[in-house]
Amino acid sequence: KAGVTQTPRYLIKTRGQQVTLSCSPISGHRSVSWYQQTPGQGLQFLFEYFSETQRNKGNFPGRFSGRQFSNSRSEMNVSTLELGDSALYLCASSLGTVPNYGYTFGSGTRLTVV
Amino acid sequence: GENVEQHPSTLSVQEGDSAVIKCTYSDSASNYFPWYKQELGKRPQLIIDIRSNVGEKKDQRIAVTLNKTAKHFSLHITETQPEDSAVYFCAASSLTGGGNKLTFGTGTQLKVEL
Repeated sequence: KAGVTQTPRYLIKTRGQQVTLSCSPISGHRSVSWYQQTPGQGLQFLFEYFSETQRNKGNFPGRFSGRQFSNSRSEMNVSTLELGDSALYLCASSLGTVPNYGYTFGSGTRLTVV
Repeated sequence: GENVEQHPSTLSVQEGDSAVIKCTYSDSASNYFPWYKQELGKRPQLIIDIRSNVGEKKDQRIAVTLNKTAKHFSLHITETQPEDSAVYFCAASSLTGGGNKLTFGTGTQLKVEL
């Protein structure tokens, strides 16, 4: 069974540009969450989508947005990129609530802003 | 919101020794506490978790303890092996708004030396 697929694996962008990252969850998983991972900061929650609706949002500026499609695939968009946005962006899918079903993480998209 | 603190940030042990990583959380409503292991360049993977109605859980060489009164939980690894070398993250779950959201600690780099 296929795992969580994130594309692309690596991205280099210039300050001020915008970027879109994609996440395909495990088949049947309707919950998709996004996390930003930076050295020393751990994983910080960006947002969660369930059945095309944003259910939870972290403390990130409005430049970070996302959406989920009817097939549960999710995209994350960052506009007006800043150097501090350089990070590993991880997506995780779940069959239901995390305490009962857990998360499966994708391998991430490594974004470098220059 | 929830805040999770994790200590130490780095831990070096000799092969065969035990390793202990400690986390504290702030939200008394948190009821689910997973631990993830992330090897270099790989995705985080769940290694063990505990729910608030349980004080201790063990899986072979790994155990987790939870003290709800003090709001802290710990990961114990016995008989450490070189393949245990990785970054370990603790997390707490807050089901605010009915959605999935994990608040992670900042990670512990465990190095098991031969």
